[in-house]
Amino acid sequence: DGGITQSPKYLFRKEGQNVTLSCEQNLNHDAMYWYRQDPGQGLRLIYYSQIVNDFQKGDIAEGYSVSREKKESFPLTVTSAQKNPTAFYLCASSSTGNEQFFGPGTRLTVL
Amino acid sequence: GQQLNQSPQSMFIQEGEDVSMNCTSSSIFNTWLWYKQDPGEGPVLLIALYKAGELTSNGRLTAQFGITRKDSFLNISASIPSDVGIYFCAGQSWLSNTGKLIFGQGTTLQVKP
Repeated sequence: DGGITQSPKYLFRKEGQNVTLSCEQNLNHDAMYWYRQDPGQGLRLIYYSQIVNDFQKGDIAEGYSVSREKKESFPLTVTSAQKNPTAFYLCASSSTGNEQFFGPGTRLTVL
Repeated sequence: GQQLNQSPQSMFIQEGEDVSMNCTSSSIFNTWLWYKQDPGEGPVLLIALYKAGELTSNGRLTAQFGITRKDSFLNISASIPSDVGIYFCAGQSWLSNTGKLIFGQGTTLQVKP
């Protein structure tokens, strides 16, 4: 089945630790995106990549880092510099640059 | 970053009622998308609109791309309990060549059986 997978579904982290969230797609999409969602709010763009080995900062990139070494994969690292990392993280991909298709999300909780 | 103005923020309706929600922007968009998000899941694309005035249906859902290109509407007819969730509008500015979408803050829909 084609789609976008994110793992893990739930993630717990101690303060001061870096953590990496996985996003994989087998849709052959060129573009991939990471969003953060907080309760009662819309989606805010963290980073995006339109092509392999290239990515750009979104609206809230501070405290996050990404890599795009393969077309299928776009992992997001939440660093210890991110002041309030507890949130729901969503990955999306797109072929046309218009319609974006989302993964199931990862809920990160900092203890 | 820029956000769309989506209204209403929440709705609590009786099963069988029709629902309307809308999004407005201060700038012109060339794409409008409507998504539904169930609790704890990723948003699912419902309808995509690409031309001003376009009216598109998907089952009981109908969406329109406003003539001014600054707004969009979503209607749900004869609501059922499984329509419960958060509905998001998203748009792409005509100035954008990056594929970036701007999202509304969502409309939370609750349906009373």
